[in-house]
Amino acid sequence: NAGVTQTPKFQVLKTGQSMTLQCAQDMNHNSMYWYRQDPGMGLRLIYYSASEGTTDKGEVPNGYNVSRLNKREFSLRLESAAPSQTSVYFCAVRPGTGGRAFFGQGTRLTVV
Amino acid sequence: GENVEQHPSTLSVQEGDSAVIKCTYSDSASNYFPWYKQELGKRPQLIIDIRSNVGEKKDQRIAVTLNKTAKHFSLHITETQPEDSAVYFCAPTPGANNLFFGTGTRLTVIP
Repeated sequence: NAGVTQTPKFQVLKTGQSMTLQCAQDMNHNSMYWYRQDPGMGLRLIYYSASEGTTDKGEVPNGYNVSRLNKREFSLRLESAAPSQTSVYFCAVRPGTGGRAFFGQGTRLTVV
Repeated sequence: GENVEQHPSTLSVQEGDSAVIKCTYSDSASNYFPWYKQELGKRPQLIIDIRSNVGEKKDQRIAVTLNKTAKHFSLHITETQPEDSAVYFCAPTPGANNLFFGTGTRLTVIP
């Protein structure tokens, strides 16, 4: 029972490269979220998905796309990475009825 | 979305003293009020939460108090210890969709 798993844990990209961050959960929760956390800063919501097949923008969606193909997985894609996207990315899940959120261990992304 | 503010942004206390962090929110529909702790290099984890039908909840050295009328809730940590040093986030929630976090409070407990 892993909870929320993010891959990869670390990644270095060159400006302009693309990549997909993966998030998978075995908690059977409906709601899934992607956040970014810059050094010494708070958690800013990029996108979220209230249920399978639905996604909505958060506070800072520009430069990102997401996909919720099934209940377990929610992926975050950077089409053309920029140095401003250097950050730690967290995936979180929560029951569809609300309540506490459970976080993945984070992906540390550096764009050079 | 929800406008969430935390005060103070940084807090230093002597070991054994108490610490209080306040979270102010704007959405009167908020009905779930959690506090998360994030240690350096780790993921945020829930430490205590309260629902809107309760005014106070306590769990050993930590407590949360809620004032729905004034739209704020507070985290209280008594008898602070060095391991309480972390960043604390509130996340008042009106429903099951958006989940916005406060700006965070960095607590340092000085031995």
